[in-house]
Amino acid sequence: QSELTQPPSVSGAPGQTVTISCTGSSSNIGAGYTVHWYQQLPGTAPKLLIYSVNNRPSGVPDRFSGSKSGTSASLAITGLQAEDEADYYCQSYDTSLSGRVFGGGTKVTVL
Amino acid sequence: QVHLVESGGGLVKPGGSLRLSCAASGFTFSDYYMSWIRRAPGKGLEWVSYISGPGTPIYYADSVKGRFSISRDNAKNSLYLQLNSLRAEDTAVYYCGRDTEVGTDHWGQGTLVSVSS
Repeated sequence: QSELTQPPSVSGAPGQTVTISCTGSSSNIGAGYTVHWYQQLPGTAPKLLIYSVNNRPSGVPDRFSGSKSGTSASLAITGLQAEDEADYYCQSYDTSLSGRVFGGGTKVTVL
Repeated sequence: QVHLVESGGGLVKPGGSLRLSCAASGFTFSDYYMSWIRRAPGKGLEWVSYISGPGTPIYYADSVKGRFSISRDNAKNSLYLQLNSLRAEDTAVYYCGRDTEVGTDHWGQGTLVSVSS
């Protein structure tokens, strides 16, 4: 059980918008620690997708966006495409663990 | 161009040991924190350990504390993870990653560790 809770799966049709939540607590996101998001395509290494809540590294399409409010963060994928099928993870820092923590991961399926 | 290449994975019996290596290139290795992160079959990513550029401080996940040891050789641009007292639940793909203030921005391709009798 991770300190950051994500839905196990979300799905949507091509072109639709899906949102992945990342629910934390006062010892991580709620304490003001930033949130990063990673995408892991099947059979590949994870890739940094969103950093510091809502910033995209070079090369990441603007279909991906992030936000944060209180003890939670969210990743939105607009204009869903088949190539977006992957596992997505949020990451933050947790003071009770004195270390970094990942969410449990969310599998995105494009219908 | 940043490049990270892990090696050293394999099949080991419970209670056994392995040493993973990560060869880094394309950046000033000693300037960066480095991490080991793993993904067990059917499970999500789990941060294992990270180490600062000079070698301390060092942090471990509770699940590996006392059994795993992270180290680095900045002269060789290499990161290491010594895995002792291995358990079945340590079976995973182990990734090394370059850490920045804005996340783990580069990852290796991973090396598979299988713990089984």
